Amino acid sequence: DAMVIQNPRYQVTQFGKPVTLSCSQTLNHNVMYWYQQKSSQAPKLLFHYYDKDFNNEADTPDNFQSRRPNTSFCFLDIRSPGLGDAAMYLCATSSRLAGGTDTQYFGPGTRLTVL
Amino acid sequence: SQQGEEDPQALSIQEGENATMNCSYKTSINNLQWYRQNSGRGLVHLILIRSNEREKHSGRLRVTLDTSKKSSSLLITASRAADTASYFCASYSGAGSYQLTFGKGTKLSVIP
Repeated sequence: DAMVIQNPRYQVTQFGKPVTLSCSQTLNHNVMYWYQQKSSQAPKLLFHYYDKDFNNEADTPDNFQSRRPNTSFCFLDIRSPGLGDAAMYLCATSSRLAGGTDTQYFGPGTRLTVL
Repeated sequence: SQQGEEDPQALSIQEGENATMNCSYKTSINNLQWYRQNSGRGLVHLILIRSNEREKHSGRLRVTLDTSKKSSSLLITASRAADTASYFCASYSGAGSYQLTFGKGTKLSVIP
């Protein structure tokens, strides 16, 4: 089945130690998104790629970076995780249609714990 | 900024009852979407209603949209324990926008 896969599902890191989360998709969608979701809150968009074009949300901290080496893969790099970065990180994809009508397809998420 | 606000924040019902969740939004939209999130999992798209539609059905789901009041409702009929999840409404910030903004969500518990 076509899907969005995130690895690892659970990640524990130490304060300040860089961490990379990965996302892959078999849907061949041209748009990939990264969201941060803290406990009992709504997902918050960090950034997205339209093909290879990277788009950062204005309030996304510089500590968060992303790479998309090809259509199928996208990575979220947290350069120096702080305690406040502990959250669920969700990857999503969509096939861009006109007029902002996309349905987004989400992976299962990576839960990040910062010690 | 938050586009959608759901109420209630939490809802607990017995299996077989209907569950209604409401969503209000702030800016004009092309469409409004509803997603479900099981505990500790990713989101699953349930249904999309376009701005020129007033009501839409999908299985046990019924969604209404009132653009004059900037509000939408999601009705789940004959609820099942497996419907226990958080439900979010979401919409794009504007035409051509990539920013899908979610409401705070309604946490639904269906008691067997």
